[in-house]
Amino acid sequence: QKEVEQNSGPLSVPEGAIASLNCTYSDRGSQSFFWYRQYSGKSPELIMFIYSNGDKEDGRFTAQLNKASQYVSLLIRDSQPSDSATYLCAVKGYGGSQGNLIFGKGTKLSVKP
Amino acid sequence: ETGVTQSPTHLIKTRGQQVTLRCSSQSGHNTVSWYQQALGQGPQFIFQYYREEENGRGNFPPRFSGLQFPNYSSELNVNALELDDSALYLCASSLGTSGGPHTDTQYFGPGTRLTVL
Repeated sequence: QKEVEQNSGPLSVPEGAIASLNCTYSDRGSQSFFWYRQYSGKSPELIMFIYSNGDKEDGRFTAQLNKASQYVSLLIRDSQPSDSATYLCAVKGYGGSQGNLIFGKGTKLSVKP
Repeated sequence: ETGVTQSPTHLIKTRGQQVTLRCSSQSGHNTVSWYQQALGQGPQFIFQYYREEENGRGNFPPRFSGLQFPNYSSELNVNALELDDSALYLCASSLGTSGGPHTDTQYFGPGTRLTVL
């Protein structure tokens, strides 16, 4: 059973701080990793993807991947109240009919003004 | 460029009924995936369609079925509705399904909220 684990939170950080969201996955064959943001009552919105070990930066967001440890994280710098949402980690493998994404349950982030 | 659209936005049905949900993929995307998201959970994969063929299925019973049309839009049909089918149903489209993350990145529609009474 392929699994993706996230702390459900809530994770509370003050405005302007760095929020750190973590995710572990069980399938060593996983090759692509995605972070989505989901506001309450809305659908998931893509933040970024990563597929190589190391860091990938996009604006205030940095994704970090360590395949040896089966660990992926998302850092949000200068957190804003508008970043308050649930962050979903998703993992995708390749080969055969493995076209689906496997999601964690999400981490709820609250940014306090 | 038009994003992923879904209809209807909300639906209320009773146990035992049947429902059809619709999805139009983003322009240029030939792959559609359907997910079920229960409250407080991450999306769960139902199935994927690639160029009108089913390309993988999650752990859902046969009463969940689907179609993809030549214009790559898609339908999700659920028969004999149960109370546990109440959820947000999400459709996601992508350029492809096995070409790497640049083509396989899935973009979600707004979802259909299904309530089964």
